[in-house]
Amino acid sequence: KQEVTQIPAALSVPEGENLVLNCSFTDSAIYNLQWFRQDPGKGLTSLLLIQSSQREQTSGRLNASLDKSSGRSTLYIAASQPGDSATYLCAVGAAGNKLTFGGGTRVLVKP
Amino acid sequence: DAGITQSPRHKVTETGTPVTLRCHQTENHRYMYWYRQDPGHGLRLIHYSYGVKDTDKGEVSDGYSVSRSKTEDFLLTLESATSSQTSVYFCAISGTGRKDEQFFGPGTRLTVL
Repeated sequence: KQEVTQIPAALSVPEGENLVLNCSFTDSAIYNLQWFRQDPGKGLTSLLLIQSSQREQTSGRLNASLDKSSGRSTLYIAASQPGDSATYLCAVGAAGNKLTFGGGTRVLVKP
Repeated sequence: DAGITQSPRHKVTETGTPVTLRCHQTENHRYMYWYRQDPGHGLRLIHYSYGVKDTDKGEVSDGYSVSRSKTEDFLLTLESATSSQTSVYFCAISGTGRKDEQFFGPGTRLTVL
């Protein structure tokens, strides 16, 4: 059974600092890996999807890497802003695009 | 934003009553999913559908049933609601390929008293 872990559960940084969010998974036979953002009381917003054959994916200030062999993905957010405060969720995709989620990292960016 | 709506958005019901949640998409995506989100457990897959009338169980399917009679609609039914089914329920959609992102609806907050 796939297990996905995100450590730390919470993170606080000053504005302007780069954010590094970690995700680890136990089974390397994945289809893809997706990063989401969730604001309090809201749904999930897809940030990036990395296919299993890719090593990284970039969108604006966001960059996500994938190392299947070690079961790890990292989401980098450059030059953090208070608007980046949210919970970030990592999810690993399997056949049928079924996702297994990590517990999330709650991020606070202080002005 | 992906065209996904969920109804109702909020519901309070009593133990033992049947409840149906609706997910509607305008994207013509083949796959649809129901998840629940609970503190301490994160998001967990309840059921999913890979086409009209084609459904399968997820990780936490006990006490839930689903139906999909049209591409655009995916219904989640709690036959006899229990307090343990108090949760936030999310619907999601995706295409069929490895490059297909999964997009989520706004969620339904269900409280079972």
